[in-house]
Amino acid sequence: RKEVEQDPGPFNVPEGATVAFNCTYSNSASQSFFWYRQDCRKEPKLLMSVYSSGNEDGRFTAQLNRASQYISLLIRDSKLSDSATYLCVVNKGYSTLTFGKGTMLLVSP
Amino acid sequence: DGGITQSPKYLFRKEGQNVTLSCEQNLNHDAMYWYRQDPGQGLRLIYYSQIVNDFQKGDIAEGYSVSREKKESFPLTVTSAQKNPTAFYLCASSIDSGGSNNSPLHFGNGTRLTVT
Repeated sequence: RKEVEQDPGPFNVPEGATVAFNCTYSNSASQSFFWYRQDCRKEPKLLMSVYSSGNEDGRFTAQLNRASQYISLLIRDSKLSDSATYLCVVNKGYSTLTFGKGTMLLVSP
Repeated sequence: DGGITQSPKYLFRKEGQNVTLSCEQNLNHDAMYWYRQDPGQGLRLIYYSQIVNDFQKGDIAEGYSVSREKKESFPLTVTSAQKNPTAFYLCASSIDSGGSNNSPLHFGNGTRLTVT
């Protein structure tokens, strides 16, 4: 299994739809999990950290399933501005993070 | 405003030349990182530094060198030994290097290096 694996997409959804991405990770000792957003030809920006109990930030909900070693991101009421690549990030040990290749989301009018 | 500044945004070099990419942060972060991103690929760690005057190799350090003489600065040199240097280079910093959820990475806006 790759260290961090994501479906590359693209996920094509209409405005207002709900969409979910999963990300699996191989290191069962991983303790930190994040979702980053990256727009085309720009730097990644932190969307949200993922906590064990799950957490929500507005239209975005992140969940962690340690038993199955995956994290998920749910986006409700999709906006055109949500179109981007979403990167799953997992720590692989002290101080270093491993990035997935990203899942592309395209929201259409 | 605090942040990370990378310069230049675009850089063109001839094959065989060394080139240094600048990264400066005024966030007072201890840890700094260099990543490389190729089209359709995830970010790959080149070097990281947990504290001034100390740095460690990441997953793809061959052909690169760094220094960390000041807390604010972490320049990356792409040497002529790097076989495929054309890429998007991203510098990042974090409060500490503990890797916790409370210490996410903050990125600069990147340098696109093209070597011909």
